[in-house]
Amino acid sequence: DAGVTQSPTHLIKTRGQQVTLRCSPKSGHDTVSWYQQALGQGPQFIFQYYEEEERQRGNFPDRFSGHQFPNYSSELNVNALLLGDSALYLCASSNPDRGHRDYGYTFGSGTRLTVV
Amino acid sequence: AQSVTQLDSQVPVFEEAPVELRCNYSSSVSVYLFWYVQYPNQGLQLLLKYLSGSTLVKGINGFEAEFNKSQTSFHLRKPSVHISDTAEYFCAVSGPGGYQKVTFGTGTKLQVIP
Repeated sequence: DAGVTQSPTHLIKTRGQQVTLRCSPKSGHDTVSWYQQALGQGPQFIFQYYEEEERQRGNFPDRFSGHQFPNYSSELNVNALLLGDSALYLCASSNPDRGHRDYGYTFGSGTRLTVV
Repeated sequence: AQSVTQLDSQVPVFEEAPVELRCNYSSSVSVYLFWYVQYPNQGLQLLLKYLSGSTLVKGINGFEAEFNKSQTSFHLRKPSVHISDTAEYFCAVSGPGGYQKVTFGTGTKLQVIP
């Protein structure tokens, strides 16, 4: 059973550019959440997608946007990149309707974004 | 809104010694609580979770945690650590049920000394 798959694993971009990160959730999961983890910090919630809509959003500017497709996969887009956007971007999938036994996030290995 | 405080940023411990990683949370409603582990250059892996029921929760790799509502704590323990336990550990909290966002603490780096 494949877990959460993220691509690419590493990315280097220049300030002002735009980037798209991709995530395929674990089989059976319908919800995708995106997190930003700066070096030495805990993951910070960006947003959550369910039924192809953004359901919740953290304290991130509109430069951060996303999308969820009918197959539950998701993209994170960041426009007008800043040096401060350099971080590990984590995708987490879940299915809260599967009951307590299976409740909780499954994380991908992340995309390391470096903005120069 | 919920928040999590991990009181120790780094915890060094000798191999085969016991360890406790501390976590306190803040919430005006009932909560779900989690511990995740992150190995270098990897994503996070769920160690254990408290959703309801018994306040003593057992997880993978010999870890356990106890939910203490009166002290708003969810400390992680292991009676005997191994070198392979060296990693960063994150405590996390969410509201109960449904599609609630999960809020993470700043992490505790566990360094197991041979």
